[in-house]
Amino acid sequence: DIQMTQSPSSLSASVGDRLTITCRASQGIDNYLTWYQQKPGKVPKVLIYAASTLQSGVPSRFSGSGSGTDFTLTISSLQPEDVATYYCQKYNSAPWTFGQGTKVEIK
Amino acid sequence: EVQLVQSGAEVKKPGESLKISCKTSGYSFTNYWIAWVRQMPGKGLEWMGIIYPDDSDTRYGPSFQGQVTISADKSISTAYLQWSSLKASDSAMYYCARPGLGGFDTWGQGTLVTVSS
Repeated sequence: DIQMTQSPSSLSASVGDRLTITCRASQGIDNYLTWYQQKPGKVPKVLIYAASTLQSGVPSRFSGSGSGTDFTLTISSLQPEDVATYYCQKYNSAPWTFGQGTKVEIK
Repeated sequence: EVQLVQSGAEVKKPGESLKISCKTSGYSFTNYWIAWVRQMPGKGLEWMGIIYPDDSDTRYGPSFQGQVTISADKSISTAYLQWSSLKASDSAMYYCARPGLGGFDTWGQGTLVTVSS
């Protein structure tokens, strides 16, 4: 099965900072990758699908890129409401494995 | 509006059986896969498995094959996750989720399962 590895596992940044989270697949998955945001006590929410397509209603400071095995989620200007854990997930074929998550905090 | 409404929290003893549900509405149940996702306390999301209700085609994640059973009842647009013999390590929040354009764009509210003697 394809493994999904996220880095870093956690990060702390200041409001207004630019953040990049990476997700690596152990084999190529084309662009079948979704990024989720999960706030404490809440259900996960889709931010990006098909590696780079912004979900309707998601602020434009979020963007995604990549194809094949290497993907990135970028937050162009970190806001207080972005404190959350972020997950990538492959969906080209079962199992639709999640990355282990990246916890984002405000410094 | 697409909705997934899960059954309520459960407290069980080790060795007991359990079946939790995910009642769907607002779309054609038989035309979309439905998945189950586990989240253990303080941990990440784990893909357990997925079912296509029209023909009950079911796929399981490697850690969950043989440990749980996923099923669906087309007559009441409901998916299920069941255990025949619970362990303390099954204590977690369980979500059902439906794929959209990519990944899961609709989630149930979660069912908290606590297994303790």
